[in-house]
Amino acid sequence: EAGVAQSPRYKIIEKRQSVAFWCNPISGHATLYWYQQILGQGPKLLIQFQNNGVVDDSQLPKDRFSAERLKGVDSTLKIQPAKLEDSAVYLCASSPARREAFFGQGTRLTVV
Amino acid sequence: ELKVEQNPLFLSMQEGKNYTIYCNYSTTSDRLYWYRQDPGKSLESLFVLLSNGAVKQEGRLMASLDTKARLSTLHITAAVHDLSATYFCAVTATSGTYKYIFGTGTRLKVLA
Repeated sequence: EAGVAQSPRYKIIEKRQSVAFWCNPISGHATLYWYQQILGQGPKLLIQFQNNGVVDDSQLPKDRFSAERLKGVDSTLKIQPAKLEDSAVYLCASSPARREAFFGQGTRLTVV
Repeated sequence: ELKVEQNPLFLSMQEGKNYTIYCNYSTTSDRLYWYRQDPGKSLESLFVLLSNGAVKQEGRLMASLDTKARLSTLHITAAVHDLSATYFCAVTATSGTYKYIFGTGTRLKVLA
């Protein structure tokens, strides 16, 4: 079974630039999560989708972050404009409803 | 709000020794997960604990759950260098959106 795919693996941008990350979840998984993991910390939920609807985006900085899930499958997370403090690993995870989540390899973002 | 705390944050131990990592959470939880993360890698699921008194073991790792105390432990028996990694516990709430709340992580280093 294919796992959660994310791209790119690494990205370096200057502050105030924009960036987008892509996630392809495991086939058939209704729930998709985006987490932000700052170095030395545990992952923090940014946004959670159930199919193509948002069920939790309470910790998403909406003035600069946006996310969508196309047709309840792939998802993109965008940052515009980026700040230095956005440097982190962005993890995508998927799960069947209310079951164990599986995580992708993550995208390591460095903002300089 | 559901909060998760782990201790210790850092653990350096000799090969062959035993030690326990503790995970406390603040409110009733549906499930508790333990994950392993190697440097630069994603999260690997180790255990899922579903009910009070649950105990699971895999190799030198054993996890247990006490829902009354809101406490889970990850016990390491006769540590080996290959166990060096960061270990996270995560819980999901019994109500709401089933998001994962992660602990701060325990960075384990096993010295030869």
